[in-house]
Amino acid sequence: AQTVTQSQPEMSVQEAETVTLSCTYDTSESDYYLFWYKQPPSRQMILVIRQEAYKQQNATENRFSVNFQKAAKSFSLKISDSQLGDAAMYFCACSGGGADGLTFGKGTHLIIQP
Amino acid sequence: DTAVSQTPKYLVTQMGNDKSIKCEQNLGHDTMYWYKQDSKKFLKIMFSYNNKELIINETVPNRFSPKSPDKAHLNLHINSLELGDSAVYFCASSHRGTRQAFFGQGTRLTVV
Repeated sequence: AQTVTQSQPEMSVQEAETVTLSCTYDTSESDYYLFWYKQPPSRQMILVIRQEAYKQQNATENRFSVNFQKAAKSFSLKISDSQLGDAAMYFCACSGGGADGLTFGKGTHLIIQP
Repeated sequence: DTAVSQTPKYLVTQMGNDKSIKCEQNLGHDTMYWYKQDSKKFLKIMFSYNNKELIINETVPNRFSPKSPDKAHLNLHINSLELGDSAVYFCASSHRGTRQAFFGQGTRLTVV
């Protein structure tokens, strides 16, 4: 069984500034993946970034990067140079073994202030 | 070309009816899923399926059943719809190796 916890229901940031969204997880799997998904008002689920647990190097995708602390079971998302289009719900997710699918956190609603 | 497509996007129906949501993926993935997103935006897996096994979340009522005519399709059938079934339902697919899920656009089901 896996659990994913996002402790920030809502975050607000000024345009062009940096914001960090928190996520902690728990899993009994040794081989697992972690993801951040974005859900804008259109409700489409969009992959932001992916991290393989066996990789020590933190994943980055343009303005998006993660801080993966495996021992602490922490997986935070940093968004640099925030843009209005970044406004959305952000979900942290963990995928364990086999075909069990994703376990999601409850999400963080990110507001970008112009 | 849409990678994962589900139809319809919106579905309004009366209590007690039976309905289906269709899902197709053209990514060649070996595993497909159904997720439910409730009114508080919480996403929970309902089923995962590949050609060898069906994994059912134990909390899903047996009124819900997945049907897979082939590897590219996983439809969701719901019998005797209840008010509490109102939600957004997402279909997704992934390759078992990468486990990165690609989602359909969701179906908003409203039971009245």
